[in-house]
Amino acid sequence: DADVTQTPRNRITKTGKRIMLECSQTKGHDRMYWYRQDPGLGLRLIYYSFDVKDINKGEISDGYSVSRQAQAKFSLSLESAIPNQTALYFCATSEGQVREQFFGPGTRLTVL
Amino acid sequence: GENVEQHPSTLSVQEGDSAVIKCTYSDSASNYFPWYKQELGKRPQLIIDIRSNVGEKKDQRIAVTLNKTAKHFSLHITETQPEDSAVYFCAASMVGQAGTALIFGKGTTLSVSS
Repeated sequence: DADVTQTPRNRITKTGKRIMLECSQTKGHDRMYWYRQDPGLGLRLIYYSFDVKDINKGEISDGYSVSRQAQAKFSLSLESAIPNQTALYFCATSEGQVREQFFGPGTRLTVL
Repeated sequence: GENVEQHPSTLSVQEGDSAVIKCTYSDSASNYFPWYKQELGKRPQLIIDIRSNVGEKKDQRIAVTLNKTAKHFSLHITETQPEDSAVYFCAASMVGQAGTALIFGKGTTLSVSS
């Protein structure tokens, strides 16, 4: 089945380290998104991309960067991780505007 | 930009009762309002959505209503069952220069006891 996958699924790192979270999809969708989920704060949009050459900041982009290497791949980087970036990170995809978003399984990131 | 408020943050009901979750949004240009369900340890999944040209939509035990004038929309679950226990998120479309993304509410944890 066509799906959205994320690697790694769990990661523990230290303050100041650079870390990359990867998202791949076999759905053939053009749009990809990165969210973080924190208890009581819901899903907050970090970055989104509507095609390979398009990158847009979301609600909380400070401290993060992204790369859309191909239509099927969208990576999220933390240049210098800090403890308050400890969260559950989700990648999502959609086809076209105002359509259902399909989420990946999530990456649990802990920054010590 | 768009802001989405969701209430209540937690909701406990008895099996068979109805549950209602309410959301308000700020951007009058928003035209798409989905609801996602996230079971414990799982990814969010769409359960129902509504567009601005429709006032109500039903799918079996779940329904969504939209009041564009008041800028609020609600999720209604009837005849609740234990498997309805989950976190529910509302969202509204955010219209930006590049296109449209979603802004989510903070979520409602629904507990259905048998």
